[in-house]
Amino acid sequence: NAGVTQTPKFRVLKTGQSMTLLCAQDMNHEYMYWYRQDPGMGLRLIHYSVGEGTTAKGEVPDGYNVSRLKKQNFLLGLESAAPSQTSVYFCASSYLRTYTEAFFGQGTRLTVV
Amino acid sequence: KNEVEQSPQNLTAQEGEFITINCSYSVGISALHWLQQHPGGGIVSLFMLSSGKKKHGRLIATINIQEKHSSLHITASHPRDSAVYICAASNYGGSQGNLIFGKGTKLSVKP
Repeated sequence: NAGVTQTPKFRVLKTGQSMTLLCAQDMNHEYMYWYRQDPGMGLRLIHYSVGEGTTAKGEVPDGYNVSRLKKQNFLLGLESAAPSQTSVYFCASSYLRTYTEAFFGQGTRLTVV
Repeated sequence: KNEVEQSPQNLTAQEGEFITINCSYSVGISALHWLQQHPGGGIVSLFMLSSGKKKHGRLIATINIQEKHSSLHITASHPRDSAVYICAASNYGGSQGNLIFGKGTKLSVKP
């Protein structure tokens, strides 16, 4: 099994450009999450989804949008990238919200110049 | 105050040493997770526990629910154990997704 796959792994954007990060999981998990990881800070939740067709805001949602049209995919969009969005982005999935193991992707390193 | 606190932030050890990383949390939890992140790599789940102790190879994780404290131990440490170790709490009844993360402990094991 591939587990959780993120694409792309690296990207450099100019300020104001848009892009979409794709997260795909093959474990039939209901819950999917997007986090960002910045130096000196713990992972912070951007948006999450509790099932196909549903999304919800996390701790730091501003500047991001998400969609979950298919159960296996969770897309994170940046409509107008800003340097403050330079970060490493991680997608994760889990079968249930609590007391289940979370599986993480390999991360996407995004630089906005 | 962060809801999940780890100590130490950085740890350097010699190969073969016994290592302990600590995690304290202030929220009610349904489970406590220990994760490993190698430099430039993804995040891997090591343990998920809600009571007692779990062991996998040279890694041992313990949790004391009353004291809201968990520890990750590495016996006979090896340079390949060098990584960032992250503690995360599944917030019981929380609405903000699944996990609340500590800032991580960067471990470097010297040969």
